[in-house]
Parts: sequence; structure tokens; C-alpha cells
Amino acid sequence: GENVEQHPSTLSVQEGDSAVIKCTYSDSASNYFPWYKQELGKGPQLIIDIRSNVGEKKDQRIAVTLNKTAKHFSLHITETQPEDSAVYFCAASKSTDKLIFGTGTRLQVFP
Amino acid sequence: DAGITQSPRHKVTETGTPVTLRCHQTENHRYMYWYRQDPGHGLRLIHYSYGVKDTDKGEVSDGYSVSRSKTEDFLLTLESATSSQTSVYFCAIRLAGATDTQYFGPGTRLTVL
Repeated sequence: GENVEQHPSTLSVQEGDSAVIKCTYSDSASNYFPWYKQELGKGPQLIIDIRSNVGEKKDQRIAVTLNKTAKHFSLHITETQPEDSAVYFCAASKSTDKLIFGTGTRLQVFP
Repeated sequence: DAGITQSPRHKVTETGTPVTLRCHQTENHRYMYWYRQDPGHGLRLIHYSYGVKDTDKGEVSDGYSVSRSKTEDFLLTLESATSSQTSVYFCAIRLAGATDTQYFGPGTRLTVL
């Protein structure tokens, strides 16, 4: 079955710097790749997603890139702010029912 | 939280007791999911439902059962709770149509002593 690996497990950056989180997946049939942000005590919230027919997607300070050949995708956050501090999860799916999640990255943005 | 509520939000129980967690949604979504979240494992799918009385197993379904007798409620039952089932449980819904997007509820923290 699908396996998703996520790195790094923790990431500390200075406010204003960029942060990059990387995920790799094993099943070349996967075609949907969402990213979730989870704040303490809350459920994961979708922040951006990408499908396999697109190489890059941007939404303000957040972007996701996908390399189907290498089977990896990345989350890029520019101009980080303290409120970006949270745990971020990547996921992959080749069907609409079964999201396989990475193990999460704890991002800390220091003022 | 996409109109999703979970109850209870916190529960402490003892090994061997039955436990039922409830997920309630108000927007008539067809697809509903139960995940558990544990350190080092991310979120793992337990069971999901694609309609009333239509359910299927996820990757970590052993020890869990589900029921969906009406569209708005998806129940997760631990027939005889074990300490390994101490976790945070999240319910999710998927929007109908072409999107694959899943939206999560606020979670239930379950402790089995």
C-alpha cells in the first residue's frame, strides 16, 4: 500500500524566513496531495492541495510543488509569521476515500 | 470545522469497558471518516462510510466497529477498550462532487487506563 514519509519532524525558523517541508510517496498511482495545518487542541485544517496534473500551486505565502517522477511533493511557506507555528501534515491518495498521512512536522517561528 | 461536532471531547475510561464516540454533521455529507492520531504516526484511517449503513475498514480497524443509521451521525465503538486505544480520534467529512477534500472535526481525546 501507499507509504508517505515526511521530513523534517521539527523545523525552527526566524520570523520572515522561508520554511520548506518535504514528503515522498511510494505509490505512483497517487493523484491527490493535500497539506493540513494543525494547531494545538484543534483538528487538522486543509491549507492547500495539489493534483497530479499540476506541478505547482500557490496561495498567497503558501505554495506546493509536485515532482511525479521523483514521487515527492513539498510545502513552501514564505515570509513566515509566528501564527504559522503549528504541526503540518502531508497526505497522499489515489482514491477519494483513503488519505495516507505523513508523520507531521512541528514548525516553530521565532519572532 | 465544516459543521462537524464530536462528542465527548474528552473521555477517561478503564480497560475492558465499551466506549462509543459520536460524530455529528449538519450539512448532509455522504462520506464520513474516523481517524486516530498518535505521536509518530500521523493520522491513520480506522473506518469510513459512504452512505447510511454503508461502511468499510481502514488501515487500523481491529478493535473498532462503526455504525451509520442516519446521514448526520457516524458512531465509532470500542467494544472492549484497551490501553493501546488511548489516542485522539478525529472525524472527517468529504465534500460531494469532484473534490477529494476532507475536512476534520475538533477531535476526541480518549484515555484508557
